[in-house]
Amino acid sequence: DAKTTQPNSMESNEEEPVHLPCNHSTISGTDYIHWYRQLPSQGPEYVIHGLTSNVNNRMASLAIAEDRKSSTLILHRATLRDAAVYYCIDLASGSRLTFGEGTQLTVNP
Amino acid sequence: DSGVTQTPKHLITATGQRVTLRCSPRSGDLSVYWYQQSLDQGLQFLIQYYNGEERAKGNILERFSAQQFPDLHSELNLSSLELGDSALYFCASSVATESSYNSPLHFGNGTRLTVT
Repeated sequence: DAKTTQPNSMESNEEEPVHLPCNHSTISGTDYIHWYRQLPSQGPEYVIHGLTSNVNNRMASLAIAEDRKSSTLILHRATLRDAAVYYCIDLASGSRLTFGEGTQLTVNP
Repeated sequence: DSGVTQTPKHLITATGQRVTLRCSPRSGDLSVYWYQQSLDQGLQFLIQYYNGEERAKGNILERFSAQQFPDLHSELNLSSLELGDSALYFCASSVATESSYNSPLHFGNGTRLTVT
């Protein structure tokens, strides 16, 4: 099965930028890279997605490597409310809809 | 609020029993996905429906089944329940077609199933 790899945990300080990495070693040309985050006792929340170009929205920026084998989610100014588990996934049909373990982001005040 | 509604929020039942979890997708979304999340685990994909038809299958046990109705709501049926089936079950929906995922998945807040 296709699978992304992420660090288990990362720490940041409040109001500093955070760069969350993801490796997409088995991504195919038409797979979209998606990022979600999950707060305790809640369902996952969509953050951002893209195919080849870097993407920006009100929540974050997504930087995609030229070969698409890696991506980075950028939170420009972390807040305490950004503490969550962050998942990256290259969505594709079939069994490639399972999320990995994600990165637990801790934000220090 | 994602617009995806899951009921019930909590369910406690005994081993060997059968339960049904319900999901109402966001208005206009044709795809529905079911996920299982055990304690401290990632989100395991179970099954996807698109406009009433099964489109993708993940690690779904034979004791589990699902369907999507003409009004697009979906139900996940879990039977012969075991202690290990205790988990959070999430439903997600999207406008994605059966072959493209250029749209977000919107998740509900889940049903917490406890099997005793």
